[in-house]
Amino acid sequence: DIVMTQSPDSLAVSLGERATINCKSSQSVLYSSSNKNFLTWYQQKPGQPPKLLIYWASTRESGVPDRFSGSGSGTDFTLTISSLQAEDVAVYYCQQYYSTPYTFGQGTKVEIK
Amino acid sequence: VQLLESGGDLVQPGGSLRLSCAASGFSFSSYAMSWVRQAPGKGLEWVSVISGSGGTTYYADSVKGRFTISRDNSKNTLYLEMNSLKAEDTAVYYCAKDTSGLPRGAFDIWGQGTMVTVSS
Repeated sequence: DIVMTQSPDSLAVSLGERATINCKSSQSVLYSSSNKNFLTWYQQKPGQPPKLLIYWASTRESGVPDRFSGSGSGTDFTLTISSLQAEDVAVYYCQQYYSTPYTFGQGTKVEIK
Repeated sequence: VQLLESGGDLVQPGGSLRLSCAASGFSFSSYAMSWVRQAPGKGLEWVSVISGSGGTTYYADSVKGRFTISRDNSKNTLYLEMNSLKAEDTAVYYCAKDTSGLPRGAFDIWGQGTMVTVSS
């Protein structure tokens, strides 16, 4: 199984400042034939289901604000919130879909400083 | 586009339960569907996936041999048959729509979830 490890477990950022979340996979999730990274990012607010933010590691889902961006390749990935808003308080998960079992990181809790 | 789960309940260890997920607003048979669970206060754990046609299924090792995923495309409904339930199966169970007809594993639509509690 591919193990996904996020860092940090939590972070507190001032409104308008940048938030950066890292995700590392235990093996590459890059399919060389398609040159695509099978990596998604989800946002989960309290009492709600997860919401898809980013797929193919860097493609923003329709309707997701452009302050959210994904980067990285192979085994190392980053989710960046360029200017944190109050409504961004949530837990963020990365997930690999390179192979089953699909696996998630442990989550990163983002709060307002 | 909506997914609505039902069937969650309190069940004793060793018991059985069937979850349902009613889909609307999209061509249900064109997309693979998954079940993902979340234990209280914990992270997300993928459980199982079924292709749009129903011909391909995969399971997490933690549920293999105990859970069965199925779908009825004529009823736009996804199911999860859960047997030999254990305390560690206690979780909110979400159904999630895949972005492809074949299992891909990127989930763009999620239901609100249904709670399964396994306890004596």
